[in-house]
Amino acid sequence: DAKTTQPPSMDCAEGRAANLPCNHSTISGNEYVYWYRQIHSQGPQYIIHGLKNNETNEMASLIITEDRKSSTLILPHATLRDTAVYYCIVRVEGPTGGGNKLTFGTGTQLKVEL
Amino acid sequence: EPEVTQTPSHQVTQMGQEVILRCVPISNHLYFYWYRQILGQKVEFLVSFYNNEISEKSEIFDDQFSVERPDGSNFTLKIRSTKLEDSAMYFCASRQRDRAEKLFFGSGTQLSVL
Repeated sequence: DAKTTQPPSMDCAEGRAANLPCNHSTISGNEYVYWYRQIHSQGPQYIIHGLKNNETNEMASLIITEDRKSSTLILPHATLRDTAVYYCIVRVEGPTGGGNKLTFGTGTQLKVEL
Repeated sequence: EPEVTQTPSHQVTQMGQEVILRCVPISNHLYFYWYRQILGQKVEFLVSFYNNEISEKSEIFDDQFSVERPDGSNFTLKIRSTKLEDSAMYFCASRQRDRAEKLFFGSGTQLSVL
């Protein structure tokens, strides 16, 4: 699985958009980009995933560059409850595959402040 | 939203003792996982389980570890002879067959080995 690089920490004002970058310059054509987050001491939580098209769901938007070497997770209106560590994970298996493990890195600690 | 349930939330044991960590995955899920997170470190994959057998395991998952699905609802992780370095938060996760991207994690069991 391709390696990802994320900034160790970011701050965001409550109500503003939080834009979390991820670099995955060695991604291959069959690797998906997944985002999870971990609120303090809780289990990780799935946010969103994508292959090459931009994706949006009720939690966030995922913007993947055309060359797929980087992506940005956008939380459109961050709240205090969005304070968490956000993990960008690149993995071979697609959503319908039999893929197993997720390999978590160190992620980005997002702190949302008043 | 349905939840993965883990018990106990905290477990304290003496070095060399056996411990069993228990998980109740979401009822229609078919894939099950154990991950662990040592304090201040990354979330690490331990093992995945499908169709009553281990489908993948990490180097951490040595002969001291075993998993079992003793009935239709529980999924357990046994550590045969605990070591100090087994102290960690242990997360159980499960997913549906056709949603490989979306693992549901439990809130974890904090294991302290003294």
